[in-house]
Amino acid sequence: GAGVSQSPSNKVTEKGKDVELRCDPISGHTALYWYRQSLGQGLEFLIYFQGNSAPDKSGLPSDRFSAERTGGSVSTLTIQRTQQEDSAVYLCASSRDTGPNTQYFGPGTRLTVL
Amino acid sequence: RKEVEQDPGPFNVPEGATVAFNCTYSNSASQSFFWYRQDCRKEPKLLMSVYSSGNEDGRFTAQLNRASQYISLLIRDSKLSDSATYLCVPPYGNNRLAFGKGNQVVVIP
Repeated sequence: GAGVSQSPSNKVTEKGKDVELRCDPISGHTALYWYRQSLGQGLEFLIYFQGNSAPDKSGLPSDRFSAERTGGSVSTLTIQRTQQEDSAVYLCASSRDTGPNTQYFGPGTRLTVL
Repeated sequence: RKEVEQDPGPFNVPEGATVAFNCTYSNSASQSFFWYRQDCRKEPKLLMSVYSSGNEDGRFTAQLNRASQYISLLIRDSKLSDSATYLCVPPYGNNRLAFGKGNQVVVIP
């Protein structure tokens, strides 16, 4: 079946602009995660959605970052007033259920803030 | 102590040799753990999921040492195609998996 998809694959923006990144999880997966990975670094957890529960936003680095998940499926990560340090690959992952389940990653969106 | 710690390496391994590396963690509430493989400029992909103290899959062996709080991955008979970064996900009881920064493996012909 189809895996996790993300769009756009690449995004170049100017400092101060807002960007929206999209994630389509695997159909039927109730859990959705956003991570950020800077060059040569590990995965930095950003936010986690599970069904209709309130999201775990504990990883969001500032109030410029927000995310939504509509209808329990597609998710959008929004970064307002982008800064150069926001440049990274933003990865989305989904898993079947809560708990320590296998996460399946999308190909990521490479964000470059000039 | 950080949640998850991995020696980034790189681990330069002659083709055909065995390489092993550990991942230490600070909290433990479950027995499930994972190893992911990440190729350069690609997304992480699951290598092994373990719901016990260990698992073996072909040339790969993963083990959990709860007393010393580390998980390990061993690769036997290394192939050039094994060159990648290996991310550990140690056992946690909450919903959020914590990824290590990865062990970079370079298999040398």
